Amino acid sequence: AQRVTQPEKLLSVFKGAPVELKCNYSYSGSPELFWYVQHSRQRLQLLLRHISRESIKGFTADLNKGETSFHLKKPFAQEEDSAMYYCALGGSNYKLTFGKGTLLTVNP
Amino acid sequence: NAGVTQTPKFQVLKTGQSMTLQCAQDMNHEYMSWYRQDPGMGLRLIHYSVGAGITDQGEVPNGYNVSRSTTEDFPLRLLSAAPSQTSVYFCASSSQAGVSYEQYFGPGTRLTVT
Repeated sequence: AQRVTQPEKLLSVFKGAPVELKCNYSYSGSPELFWYVQHSRQRLQLLLRHISRESIKGFTADLNKGETSFHLKKPFAQEEDSAMYYCALGGSNYKLTFGKGTLLTVNP
Repeated sequence: NAGVTQTPKFQVLKTGQSMTLQCAQDMNHEYMSWYRQDPGMGLRLIHYSVGAGITDQGEVPNGYNVSRSTTEDFPLRLLSAAPSQTSVYFCASSSQAGVSYEQYFGPGTRLTVT
């Protein structure tokens, strides 16, 4: 079975502070991991995926197979980063499994 | 391109009523799926389709039916609505029949069952 755990429901930081949203996964095969973002009352959008190893809007995420983690990081948070963030795991059976999400609030 | 569209945006049903949530995409995507989003539960997969004529169950399929007669459309039917089906429903599509590819989401349908 594949499972995604986001241990923090809520995360609050001040503008300019570093932010890290945690994601741990459980999967016996080779995982494909993603971060999706949902701003207030908007549709979900892909933020980044581990295979592309890119930085989007200052966010990065590194897959750590030893710790089965895919934490999302940004060195300097901006107010417009306030949103719900979902970590997602793609397995071999066409099913994308989402974590329960972390609501990030960046205070001015 | 309109991307992924969903209708209606809002719906209120009485317990026992049936209805169909519509989903369409104009990107010629093979893979389509339905999720429900509930507070504290994240998104849970209801049903998915890897192409026209092919559907399969996700994590929470009970009480829902789907069909995929065309590449563009993937309607979700609630057979007999229950208060537990009060949720926000999202449809998504991707270019390939596999989760390696970016999922494009619709704007959602907010359903209340009284």
